[in-house]
Amino acid sequence: DAGVTQSPTHLIKTRGQQVTLRCSPKSGHDTVSWYQQALGQGPQFIFQYYEEEERQRGNFPDRFSGHQFPNYSSELNVNALLLGDSALYLCASSLNGLYGYTFGSGTRLTVV
Amino acid sequence: SQQGEEDPQALSIQEGENATMNCSYKTSINNLQWYRQNSGRGLVHLILIRSNEREKHSGRLRVTLDTSKKSSSLLITASRAADTASYFCATDPNTGNQFYFGTGTSLTVIP
Repeated sequence: DAGVTQSPTHLIKTRGQQVTLRCSPKSGHDTVSWYQQALGQGPQFIFQYYEEEERQRGNFPDRFSGHQFPNYSSELNVNALLLGDSALYLCASSLNGLYGYTFGSGTRLTVV
Repeated sequence: SQQGEEDPQALSIQEGENATMNCSYKTSINNLQWYRQNSGRGLVHLILIRSNEREKHSGRLRVTLDTSKKSSSLLITASRAADTASYFCATDPNTGNQFYFGTGTSLTVIP
């Protein structure tokens, strides 16, 4: 039973560019949440997708957008990258927000 | 902010000793969860305790929750070198959709 899969594992982008991160949820899960974790900090909630719609959003600018596909997989898009966007981006899946979440290993984004 | 705060920020113990870390939060919660993170990788779910529970056990882990004090503690008994990691508490403030993580406790278990 595959867990949460994120791709790519590492990514280097230049300031001002756009990036797309991908997440496949754990089998049987229908809800995907995205978190940003800066170095030395706890994860910060970006948004959550359920039934292909954004259900809740954290305190992140509109440069951060997402999508959920019919197979429950999800993408996180970040436009006009800033140096401060450098972080570990974590995807977590659950069954409609119930019980604990299963996290992926994350995508390490470096903006130079 | 609803973010939880872990205490201490860092903890270093000898293998075999017990490790205790605490979490305080600011608003009412539906449940509280503890996660482990190894070397900046993904988070591993350890245990979930609901607001109507006071104590929960899972293997060598014991979690307590005091909603009147808005605090929780995680006890790891008979620690092992493999327990070396960062530990985070995450609170669910009744939305079921968004977790608030603290800044974590970095635990080092010395063999």
